[in-house]
Amino acid sequence: ETGVTQTPRHLVMGMTNKKSLKCEQHLGHNAMYWYKQSAKKPLELMFVYSLEERVENNSVPSRFSPECPNSSHLFLHLHTLQPEDSALYLCASSQQQVGTYEQYFGPGTRLTVT
Amino acid sequence: GENVEQHPSTLSVQEGDSAVIKCTYSDSASNYFPWYKQELGKRPQLIIDIRSNVGEKKDQRIAVTLNKTAKHFSLHITETQPEDSAVYFCAASKGDDKIIFGKGTRLHILP
Repeated sequence: ETGVTQTPRHLVMGMTNKKSLKCEQHLGHNAMYWYKQSAKKPLELMFVYSLEERVENNSVPSRFSPECPNSSHLFLHLHTLQPEDSALYLCASSQQQVGTYEQYFGPGTRLTVT
Repeated sequence: GENVEQHPSTLSVQEGDSAVIKCTYSDSASNYFPWYKQELGKRPQLIIDIRSNVGEKKDQRIAVTLNKTAKHFSLHITETQPEDSAVYFCAASKGDDKIIFGKGTRLHILP
């Protein structure tokens, strides 16, 4: 499946590192999302972008910084992370930002913070 | 805001039997209820959805029912097969707002 791609697929980083996650969608969608998936909170919405504008920020710590340079690309910049930030980070896109459109998920980036 | 509760968190059924997963929502304005399936190591994918103007929807072995008065909806899988083993997420949305997911149900199909 090539609709929504994410890189890297796996990432190990120390608490002082700075890294970025990348998401790209090839579906012509206008909305993109970042989710955190962990055992405690299986699908936790972090950020929503609609037409490159951030429309939702669910009280996410500032050590996570999203960027959406255009409607096809979404980044999540990471710095000074904590071990509890270890999780699967899923990107998704939908035709529009409203909730009645199917969300297409990427394969995720498995992040481990040491 | 909307809150979606999902039960059970884990469900084991014998192959060939039926499985039922239930969800409740809090916002009576919600009008769209999708179900996503996430197989082990894979991404969540939409398997079926229902809108508030419909009480039931079927697609082969899966069906979803909606009770707007009670604010609950359920996923029914009949004649379960090994490939049905996965985590299932229900969700609710009121159309002009973001989608809210339940915490998921891990379904095990026993041989």
